This record gives sequence, C-alpha cells and structure tokens, in this order.
Amino acid sequence: AQTVTQSQPEMSVQEAETVTLSCTYDTSENNYYLFWYKQPPSRQMILVIRQEAYKQQNATENRFSVNFQKAAKSFSLKISDSQLGDTAMYFCAFMKPGANSKLTFGKGITLSVRP
Amino acid sequence: GAGVSQSPRYKVAKRGQDVALRCDPISGHVSLFWYQQALGQGPEFLTYFQNEAQLDKSGLPSDRFFAERPEGSVSTLKIQRTQQEDSAVYLCASSTKKYAGVTDTQYFGPGTRLTVL
Repeated sequence: AQTVTQSQPEMSVQEAETVTLSCTYDTSENNYYLFWYKQPPSRQMILVIRQEAYKQQNATENRFSVNFQKAAKSFSLKISDSQLGDTAMYFCAFMKPGANSKLTFGKGITLSVRP
Repeated sequence: GAGVSQSPRYKVAKRGQDVALRCDPISGHVSLFWYQQALGQGPEFLTYFQNEAQLDKSGLPSDRFFAERPEGSVSTLKIQRTQQEDSAVYLCASSTKKYAGVTDTQYFGPGTRLTVL
C-alpha cells in the first residue's frame, strides 16, 4: 500500500515571496504519478501540477514547480511570487496507473499568504 | 453543466437516519470516484465506477455504505443508519479515461458536508 506524508500542518508566506511545501511518499511501485491539489476555502479541489515518475525533468506550471527526488521519495512544491489567491489547503497525492486510478492523499498543509 | 456537481451541499441527519448523496459527473466521463474527507484530513478513497460497473469498493468503511451508478452517469452514495463517525465531506470526482494516464485528470465536485447529530 502507498502512503503519503505531509509533515507540515501550516505555513505562512508574505505576498510576492517564495514558499516550498514538502511531501514524502512510500511505495514499492516503479511507475506512478504524483500530484499537488489545491483546495480553497470553498472546498472545490483543483489540480495544480502533476509529475510522472519516469520523467527526470521536474514539472512546472507558471509560478508552480516541483522538486521530484525519486530515490528519496520526495515531492515538494515551490510557489513563486505568492499571491493572496494561493491561500488554501494543499494536498500531495499519489496514483498508481491502471484500471482504478484512485488517488492516495496526504493530510494536507494549510498555506496562508499574508498581504 | 461545465463541472462536477453534487447535491445537497449540506446535510444534517439524526443518528440512525438514512441519507443519499448525489453526484453529477462531467458529461461523457467514464470514471467516477467517491472520497470521504474528515475534518482536517486528506480525502480517502471510498469506491470507483467505470461506467455503470462498480469495480472497486474496497474503501467503503462498512456495509452501511452503498453506492450505485445505474446508467453510467449520475451516481448516488447512500449511507444507512448514520453514525456520528460518518460526519465528513463526501467528494465526488470524474475523469475521462478508463485507464490512468498523464492526461487523466480527476475533476472534483464541491462536496457534500454531512453532519450526523
């Protein structure tokens, strides 16, 4: 079974600064996908970024980028130029490809962006 | 509609009552997932449908939980004889593909917050 660990319950960052959210996972699989989801106070979960384990290149999406360390089973999210709208809970998630592509989530981290 | 919708958004039930939660996935989406999110926790998988077939129900916590998707579109999650520990947000997600791939994003609904008194 896969596990996802987010050990930081809360973080705070000043607007326009950079913040890094940590995530580690445990799996015996070699082929899998990793995701960061954002859940604003309205509670609708939105995909931020995804990474295929077989790709060495770190994924980037505008201000969001990841640091994927497969050997260390680490998958951190960096948010550059933080904006007030980035305030939300962030979940790291694991998925094993196949017929049932269910997501295994970490406990999440609450990020607050200060004006 | 443009996204996944769920109803009701909020439900209060007395302990022992039965509840039914509805999910309308994005039109044409083959896969449908239910997740349970306890307060302050990440979502946990409950069950998975591919069209009308329930292929995985390993996450359902007890036999009081039942899900169906009879015509391969709308899904209903039913909880019988609700208990206080059932209080949570129930999230529904849908995706286009039968098999996971890099482009297979799960789109989530807003959730139903269930409170059992």
